[in-house]
Amino acid sequence: DQQVKQNSPSLSVQEGRISILNCDYTNSMFDYFLWYKKYPAEGPTFLISISSIKDKNEDGRFTVFLNKSAKHLSLHIVSSQPGDSAVYFCAARPGGSYIPTFGRGTSLIVHP
Amino acid sequence: GAGVSQTPSNKVTEKGKYVELRCDPISGHTALYWYRQSLGQGPEFLIYFQGTGAADDSGLPNDRFFAVRPEGSVSTLKIQRTERGDSAVYLCASSPQGAGGHNEQFFGPGTRLTVL
Repeated sequence: DQQVKQNSPSLSVQEGRISILNCDYTNSMFDYFLWYKKYPAEGPTFLISISSIKDKNEDGRFTVFLNKSAKHLSLHIVSSQPGDSAVYFCAARPGGSYIPTFGRGTSLIVHP
Repeated sequence: GAGVSQTPSNKVTEKGKYVELRCDPISGHTALYWYRQSLGQGPEFLIYFQGTGAADDSGLPNDRFFAVRPEGSVSTLKIQRTERGDSAVYLCASSPQGAGGHNEQFFGPGTRLTVL
């Protein structure tokens, strides 16, 4: 029973366009959400997070949107670049917890 | 570099053998985590240390898996009587503190374990 679901294993986007990666969760106790980015042969790197008290958090080209009622979050990457090509993991954890539950990841390919 | 390091980067062993995987966290980070990532999956939690003690080992799949962090810094994940199903990338992460808040975890590059 996957509590964090990333239903798109892969996404292909043209350079300069917006990339939208989606994530759904089932556990209503989750109240902190994170996105990690992973290049081959490297560990995941923290990208951006959002608390359940917010519905949007922006950091440069990256914005995460949270829809609590739908138990859905999305990561938007504007002006996508080939260097953004990586696997993106959505993760979530309950309040006061230190252990995130990860989705299976979405492989983003940004082609010139 | 000042990041999390893991050794070896690759480990090939035979079924039934014992293996040790090492993690050097970022200096000063009190919290240390081990995860296992199987092919096509996201990282799955194994165990969490706060200082020298295992604060949560609920993710260890069975008693063949054990981890230590005797001096509150380096940690070793130990797997006895390895099975082919143990093949995965084992990730270590550290963070400055433990529970809650913006607890950003910094991951190492992982050890790819292959059990033949």
